[in-house]
Amino acid sequence: EAAVTQSPRSKVAVTGGKVTLSCHQTNNHDYMYWYRQDTGHGLRLIHYSYVADSTEKGDIPDGYKASRPSQENFSLILELASLSQTAVYFCASSVDKYEQYFGPGTRLTVL
Amino acid sequence: GDSVTQTEGPVTLSEGTSLTVNCSYETKQYPTLFWYVQYPGEGPQLLFKVPKANEKGSNRGFEATYNKEATSFHLQKASVQESDSAVYYCALSAPPNTGKLTFGDGTVLTVKP
Repeated sequence: EAAVTQSPRSKVAVTGGKVTLSCHQTNNHDYMYWYRQDTGHGLRLIHYSYVADSTEKGDIPDGYKASRPSQENFSLILELASLSQTAVYFCASSVDKYEQYFGPGTRLTVL
Repeated sequence: GDSVTQTEGPVTLSEGTSLTVNCSYETKQYPTLFWYVQYPGEGPQLLFKVPKANEKGSNRGFEATYNKEATSFHLQKASVQESDSAVYYCALSAPPNTGKLTFGDGTVLTVKP
């Protein structure tokens, strides 16, 4: 079965600090995605990637960078964390761009 | 841009009653429509998808029909169980099919025994 893992599962960061969220998939999928989920709202796409060493901007990329060093790994980087970036972050992978397999999420709190 | 609007929650039902979660969408393209379900502490998981207009998708007793004319994709289940308590998301993917999903805000369903 598809397996997407995320680390850490929760994190508290200080405003202005750097935060790196990691995602690892063992599905052999080419496509990977980062979404954020805010309380009472759906998921919004931040960055995505079709292939290693290449990333694309999603709907809300401002304040975030992404890195795809290998097919299995996809990181989300907040260079200067802000209060507004407090949210739950989900990573997903897919083989056909349609059925996406999500990880368990990372709860980020910025103080 | 694309958008999805669904029933605002929370929705509370008793076991054995029927469920309808409304979903309407806006897009200039011809989308593929999805229902995802999210259980507490987990990421969303695909319930089912329907790529073609006038076709029905179903899984685990849930079903929805892709109504292109009404731009709707309502989720229904005839008899809910306590284990159906979760958040349900309607979503769409439209050409150029980058894999981007546009989600609704989600509907929290609580089923009481």
